[in-house]
Amino acid sequence: DTGVSQNPRHKITKRGQNVTFRCDPISEHNRLYWYRQTLGQGPEFLTYFQNEAQLEKSRLLSDRFSAERPKGSFSTLEIQRTEQGDSAMYLCASSLVGQEVYEQYFGPGTRLTVT
Amino acid sequence: GQNIDQPTEMTATEGAIVQINCTYQTSGFNGLFWYQQHAGEAPTFLSYNVLDGLEEKGRFSSFLSRSKGYSYLLLKELQMKDSASYLCAVRDRGSTLGRLYFGRGTQLTVWP
Repeated sequence: DTGVSQNPRHKITKRGQNVTFRCDPISEHNRLYWYRQTLGQGPEFLTYFQNEAQLEKSRLLSDRFSAERPKGSFSTLEIQRTEQGDSAMYLCASSLVGQEVYEQYFGPGTRLTVT
Repeated sequence: GQNIDQPTEMTATEGAIVQINCTYQTSGFNGLFWYQQHAGEAPTFLSYNVLDGLEEKGRFSSFLSRSKGYSYLLLKELQMKDSASYLCAVRDRGSTLGRLYFGRGTQLTVWP
């Protein structure tokens, strides 16, 4: 257990539905990242926050995806009008900027299946 | 963009030593990470290299050559629990100084 939690752990939804995932980072960490991972691939960066500011979004993040981090604590990732291609593991990670290494600590992920 | 290459699969026997290689191309290098990921679980941090040379941490060591765009992860005295995917990730000097670019991962199977 890295201290990063994600909910739900699994989500099955029908194509066209909206889904929302939550990530609670390690409490003192100021950076929070979202990645997506499909089978046999490494995690792909989606977006990240420093405190409450969203500083970068990948081109992978279409208009159907939106992420928030109100008050700089937990974050939510919403996918609207889900498609089968959205099926993946969605990983959240956090880090503390200011340390030399500031490795990212990953949560257990939310596995999304779109039917 | 980034180009990170590592072997897809490797096998080894318990007690042996295995070396997992990673090559990368990046526009501006700012550190290389190795993560371990067991099936269905989150990646966990193993090592970090930003300068050339070898970093040792118990049974695991990681090496970096920035001029060659090359790193390896060395696992000694292999145990069954080391069966996992090993992910090489690069951080660049882009505007973010944060996002990681991951390779596809090397699936290591340790046999008794």
